[in-house]
Amino acid sequence: DIQMTQSPSSLSASVGDRVTITCRASQSIDNYLNWYQKKPGKAPNLLIWATSTLQTGVPSRFSGSGSGTDYTLTIDSLQPEDFATYYCQQSYLSLTFGQGTRLDIK
Amino acid sequence: QLKLQGSGPGLVKPSGTLSLTCTVSGDTIMSSSYYWGWIRQPPGRGLEYIGTVYYTGTTYYNPSLRSRLTVSVDTSKNQFSLKLTSVTAADTALYYCGRQLDFYGSGIYSPFDSWDQGTLVTVSS
Repeated sequence: DIQMTQSPSSLSASVGDRVTITCRASQSIDNYLNWYQKKPGKAPNLLIWATSTLQTGVPSRFSGSGSGTDYTLTIDSLQPEDFATYYCQQSYLSLTFGQGTRLDIK
Repeated sequence: QLKLQGSGPGLVKPSGTLSLTCTVSGDTIMSSSYYWGWIRQPPGRGLEYIGTVYYTGTTYYNPSLRSRLTVSVDTSKNQFSLKLTSVTAADTALYYCGRQLDFYGSGIYSPFDSWDQGTLVTVSS
């Protein structure tokens, strides 16, 4: 099984900040890396697929990068609606989620 | 406009079978570009992938659930279903059904792009 490890597990930031969340796979996943945003009581929202492709309708302040085993999600100029939990997911072999990164307001 | 609607009992007894159905409207379940899957989120915990079905009946399951899991499709009703046997309290979770869109050739491992609102299932006597 491919294990996905996110860091940090939680993060406090302010509106307007730039934040970066990291996801590391236990083996190379060849850019088959997706990012989701999850808010309490709501279904996950696909933000980025294949490492860096922004899903339709997602604001451009979200971006993704990485290769091999290491990937990042960056949010530029945090907005109030961005405070949520973020999950990475590998889709190279099976589907595995990271444990999540909770982003809350400082 | 695509809509997914999950349904099923909200309470299941330990050792029983958890059964959920997801009804798809606004699109055909038989599209070659889509797969249909399930994930869950136990209270206070993260997301866990459960399994996927293609309209042909091809399936893929999370290895940790494979021995207890069946995911199936009914194209005549535009529905797909989940059955999980021998449930315990550890199976208590919010269950989501979703569409997996084959953006880039991931096939049955494709990411989820649409979901229902989730169905809370509690395992308790």
